[in-house]
Amino acid sequence: GAVVSQHPSRVICKSGTSVKIECRSLDFQATTMFWYRQFPKQSLMLMATSNEGSKATYEQGVEKDKFLINHASLTLSTLTVTSAHPEDSSFYICSVTGGGGGSYNEQFFGPGTRLTVL
Amino acid sequence: KQEVTQIPAALSVPEGENLVLNCSFTDSAIYNLQWFRQDPGKGLTSLLLIQSSQREQTSGRLNASLDKSSGRSTLYIAASQPGDSATYLCAVKRGSSASKIIFGSGTRLSIRP
Repeated sequence: GAVVSQHPSRVICKSGTSVKIECRSLDFQATTMFWYRQFPKQSLMLMATSNEGSKATYEQGVEKDKFLINHASLTLSTLTVTSAHPEDSSFYICSVTGGGGGSYNEQFFGPGTRLTVL
Repeated sequence: KQEVTQIPAALSVPEGENLVLNCSFTDSAIYNLQWFRQDPGKGLTSLLLIQSSQREQTSGRLNASLDKSSGRSTLYIAASQPGDSATYLCAVKRGSSASKIIFGSGTRLSIRP
């Protein structure tokens, strides 16, 4: 399957600052990337879907101006948490999917980024 | 609206036992169903993916079945080992390759040595 990396793996920031998380598909043409958020002992909640070169589609209840998503290439998507607050502290995970081959309908997940806002 | 449920929420069994994890979904019009494993503080590892036209998939000691008409899937783990301890998530995809998937709440599995 595809190899997906996220950077950073952990980040601690002060309230009010912005944090950028990168998601890279190392060996896979990711036409679509997904961003999830996971709170402790809960399942993954989809935040947004992004297609390469177009604007992201956000799930209901997710503020697009707070969680900025850029999918500039087939191998890179970024999630920027703007003006972060303690309630934004969570585990953020990206996944990728794409066209062609046997993996065309499978999602591959990154290792996640632990965000802690003080 | 598709809802995915996993029962039980937590399960503890002694090493060596065979066990079954359950997943149910409300809308049978799925594209595929995927089982994942998540270790604490880590991302997801894909275990098995079953296409809507398939009934089961096997990988090593794992076997996943799918019954679309009843909205159910099971993950069978044979001869459980302490290393199998993790949270197991099932997820269903409705449409094309680019469509989102809906996750269940997971089953936290603990294998006692």
